[in-house]
Amino acid sequence: EVQLVQSGAEVKKPGESLKISCKGSGYSFTSYWIGWVRQMPGKGLEWMGIIYPGDSDTRYSPSFQGQVTISADKSISTAYLQWSSLKASDTAMYYCARRSGYDYYFDYWGQGTLVTVSS
Amino acid sequence: EIVLTQSPGTLSLSPGERATLSCRASQSVSSSYLAWYQQKPGQAPRLLIYGASSRATGIPDRFSGSGSGTDFTLTISRLEPEDFAVYYCQQYGSSAWTFGQGTKVEIK
Repeated sequence: EVQLVQSGAEVKKPGESLKISCKGSGYSFTSYWIGWVRQMPGKGLEWMGIIYPGDSDTRYSPSFQGQVTISADKSISTAYLQWSSLKASDTAMYYCARRSGYDYYFDYWGQGTLVTVSS
Repeated sequence: EIVLTQSPGTLSLSPGERATLSCRASQSVSSSYLAWYQQKPGQAPRLLIYGASSRATGIPDRFSGSGSGTDFTLTISRLEPEDFAVYYCQQYGSSAWTFGQGTKVEIK
């Protein structure tokens, strides 16, 4: 069974750093792209970026380029999303999702990680 | 960047009724690259339709997708109580994915 399991909710202060994770299982982790999607409170879905764990090839949405870093550790089948200096506006639910093979949709999703940034 | 505009913003219907959701793209999208997702409160999105008209595994046949070019449609033939949710279209183009702003299907 394909599963993406994300790390737990985080409460941080502005200016702090953060790294959240997404662990894949039940499939060949290195053979599928993993994307990250933001959902701000009460809002829609925004694609942030995507990584191919096999070779760490990474693409970013222009809206998020330079604001976050996406990485992966294939030895432990885990992808990451990190911030070096959080802002209150980073408060959101963050989902990881697996891109389906050579197609361009996301077939499996993690349960989401809620990040709250507040002083 | 291709912008997807969904309409209506909210659809108020009763169980058993037909729901028709629209997704319009700012420029032509390959049908192969158009998908629909369902999201219920407190849950992650779930893939419903890919390639504009193919149902994902386990999706009931009351859900159907159609369209091409810049106009795509998700139809729910007869609404079941569990279908009241928010629906998003998504496309891939120019090395980027974008989502529509969503249509909420609520109980009338």
